Amino acid sequence: DTAVSQTPKYLVTQMGNDKSIKCEQNLGHDTMYWYKQDSKKFLKIMFSYNNKELIINETVPNRFSPKSPDKAHLNLHINSLELGDSAVYFCASSQGLAAGELFFGEGSRLTVL
Amino acid sequence: QKEVEQNSGPLSVPEGAIASLNCTYSDRVSQSFFWYRQYSGKSPELIMSIYSNGDKEDGRFTAQLNKASQYVSLLIRDSQPSDSATYLCAVMGAGGTSYGKLTFGQGTILTVHP
Repeated sequence: DTAVSQTPKYLVTQMGNDKSIKCEQNLGHDTMYWYKQDSKKFLKIMFSYNNKELIINETVPNRFSPKSPDKAHLNLHINSLELGDSAVYFCASSQGLAAGELFFGEGSRLTVL
Repeated sequence: QKEVEQNSGPLSVPEGAIASLNCTYSDRVSQSFFWYRQYSGKSPELIMSIYSNGDKEDGRFTAQLNKASQYVSLLIRDSQPSDSATYLCAVMGAGGTSYGKLTFGQGTILTVHP
């Protein structure tokens, strides 16, 4: 029974398209995150939500729009995809906002052609 | 200056040796520090957390923290080929806009050869 699950695992799409990634956690955690890992393996926070409320919004282009319908789900929609958006996107959850133990999903590898 | 800095490596050690991984951070008020391991093609997983100055041991792993020097390290004793992975240092922000933000270093690639 997967704790943090993301779908899809792989996305291959053309520049200019729109895509969504969905994330669900069954750990009962209050806080969820989106991280981006680039080709050099650098893992950078994009957003965090605590009980459905947006807490952290890093300097991410507004083409990226997260949405948390409830505290167990956090989705990421990306408009007008660009080549530089190619990366692995990780969803994660934690018990609380300042808890450093994050549980990561398997990642969604996005390739923009 | 990067917020969390690690030597990217690769660090190569023989099986059975001690692997030493280092990390420095810039935010003086940070109080919580973590080491994550990431196997190739997999997601990061937490292996150690440390909050107080000094050493913290868990099996073959020892985390060391020196807040005055803003330095965190991870020692892996009796290294095994299965320890070959990327090790990510992470620091939890403690105040202002950094509160609740877990910032990762760029990772150190460790290879343990038989």
